[in-house]
Amino acid sequence: GIQVEQSPPDLILQEGANSTLRCNFSDSVNNLQWFHQNPWGQLINLFYIPSGTKQNGRLSATTVATERYSLLYISSSQTTDSGVYFCAVDLINYGQNFVFGPGTRLSVLP
Amino acid sequence: DVKVTQSSRYLVKRTGEKVFLECVQDMDHENMFWYRQDPGLGLRLIYFSYDVKMKEKGDIPEGYSVSREKKERFSLILESASTNQTSMYLCASSWGREQQYFGPGTRLTVT
Repeated sequence: GIQVEQSPPDLILQEGANSTLRCNFSDSVNNLQWFHQNPWGQLINLFYIPSGTKQNGRLSATTVATERYSLLYISSSQTTDSGVYFCAVDLINYGQNFVFGPGTRLSVLP
Repeated sequence: DVKVTQSSRYLVKRTGEKVFLECVQDMDHENMFWYRQDPGLGLRLIYFSYDVKMKEKGDIPEGYSVSREKKERFSLILESASTNQTSMYLCASSWGREQQYFGPGTRLTVT
């Protein structure tokens, strides 16, 4: 069946450290998004990245559609980066909506 | 900037009550979505709409209905609220199959 997996499920970092979050998906992808859910529950758009690499400040993302994975890089982490990171995948053969991964919970300690 | 708003941040209702959750977007998006989020289960799609008066069932439509009378507004209706519908409800909108934008969420408690 359709699968979107994220790893690691939990990550604890010291402030200033770098990290890589991974999203694997089981089918060809039309689009892919990364979100950060803050402590109040709001989902913040980070990247819309069906393929290639994008950068926004300390964050960057790479999607390799042919190998069915995407990576989110966080450099020089800050306490405000804490929260849950979701990838959401629009799979070509699965209709007109996104399938969400289970998320990676990131805790950045001061 | 795209703005998606939801009618309430927190809501407490009694079992059996009819509950309306409203979502409004200001970017003329054709697609709108309702999700619920529960610990350990992630985000699950309840219903979505790709045009006015059109709706499609998502993964967990049972116990819910929706209404889309105007393009900018998408309502989720719990006909007779039950305790297992206590959850975080998230609305989103998008243009076609492009990126989704989310509202702030409504934390619903049914007692």
